[in-house]
Amino acid sequence: EVQLEETGGDLIQPGGSLRLSCAASGFTVSNNYMSWVRQAPGKGLEWVSTIYSGGRIEYADSVKGRFTISRDDSNNTLSLQMNSLRAEDTAVYYCARDSSARAFDVWGQGTMVTVSS
Amino acid sequence: DIVMTQSPDSLAVSLGERATINCKSSQSVFYYSNNKNYLGWYQQKPGQPPKLLIYWASTRESGVPDRFSGSGSGTDFTLTISSLQAEDVAVYYCQQYYSTPRTFGQGTKLEIK
Repeated sequence: EVQLEETGGDLIQPGGSLRLSCAASGFTVSNNYMSWVRQAPGKGLEWVSTIYSGGRIEYADSVKGRFTISRDDSNNTLSLQMNSLRAEDTAVYYCARDSSARAFDVWGQGTMVTVSS
Repeated sequence: DIVMTQSPDSLAVSLGERATINCKSSQSVFYYSNNKNYLGWYQQKPGQPPKLLIYWASTRESGVPDRFSGSGSGTDFTLTISSLQAEDVAVYYCQQYYSTPRTFGQGTKLEIK
């Protein structure tokens, strides 16, 4: 079965750092486009970052320079290193497979990140 | 960036009636090379992740009931639920995956009248 599971969400103070992980099963992360999408409480979906199968990376302007997406091919996982966190980064963070033909066809359950003092 | 605009923001429909949600993109999401519109529709229920319903504007994802249908091309798209069921109460999002960033519409909240 194709699945994604995020971990790492937490309550963190402004300016702090946090690393999210997303474990994939049933498919190979490195053969796919993989993305992070976030959803602030009561708000809509916001694309955060994508790592392409060839290694190219893109970020939303709102996180550029602060967040780093990466993948661990040996463990079939996706990660998001988040630095200099701000209150407006508070959200549920989802990892998703971007099939490119079938849009975001697989989603994890999400992990909550709360940035507050 | 391509801006996606949905209408209405919220919608109340009686059980068994038709629900229609519109989505407009600020530029075309149609690829002439394969005659496909790179437009997807998602359903999100409270406390759950989004679920892909429709891709390529009109192709139902496996397992999605046939009361859900998508239509449109270029910049204007529609998601139709032909006969609303209680389990269809959710927020619906459109998304373009023609280019990056993969932008989403703001969402349409669908409720029972």
